[in-house]
Amino acid sequence: KAGVTQTPRYLIKTRGQQVTLSCSPISGHRSVSWYQQTPGQGLQFLFEYFSETQRNKGNFPGRFSGRQFSNSRSEMNVSTLELGDSALYLCASSLDRALSSTDTQYFGPGTRLTVL
Amino acid sequence: AQRVTQPEKLLSVFKGAPVELKCNYSYSGSPELFWYVQYSRQRLQLLLRHISRESIKGFTADLNKGETSFHLKKPFAQEEDSAMYYCAPSSARQLTFGSGTQLTVLP
Repeated sequence: KAGVTQTPRYLIKTRGQQVTLSCSPISGHRSVSWYQQTPGQGLQFLFEYFSETQRNKGNFPGRFSGRQFSNSRSEMNVSTLELGDSALYLCASSLDRALSSTDTQYFGPGTRLTVL
Repeated sequence: AQRVTQPEKLLSVFKGAPVELKCNYSYSGSPELFWYVQYSRQRLQLLLRHISRESIKGFTADLNKGETSFHLKKPFAQEEDSAMYYCAPSSARQLTFGSGTQLTVLP
């Protein structure tokens, strides 16, 4: 089975621009979560999508948004980029078999975003 | 507020020595508990999940509800265990990662 894929792998943008990152989950996985990883703050949860609906959201400003398509692929968008948005953005997918528990999350390689 | 603490940023042990990576958490309710690992140039992956007792590579973790700790242990460390380890409690399907411990196993 192919793993989680993320595109692009590297991205350089300037302040004020916007960016869209893409994530393709493992086939059959319905839940997609996004995380931001920085040296200072570590791994922080951004949001989670399931069946095209945002189910959970972390403490990030509204400039960070996402969506999920009917094939479970997901995109996240960051508008009005700031220098502090430079980070590795990780996507993870899971089967989501049980409503009351957390399934194993399978991570992609990440997209390295640099904001100049 | 949910909080996860991994007090050791760096940990070095010799090959064959026991290793323990500490994790303390502060959570409302009873979170599910995970350890994730990232080897050099590899993706973050599940190492251990408390609820299913599944484990890879000989690691175990003991849940102490009284102390709200979930320390990761291995009796005999191997050089290939060198990696970054993250403790991650979960509630409502949302993982909260600790800051991580970089384990180096010396030959």
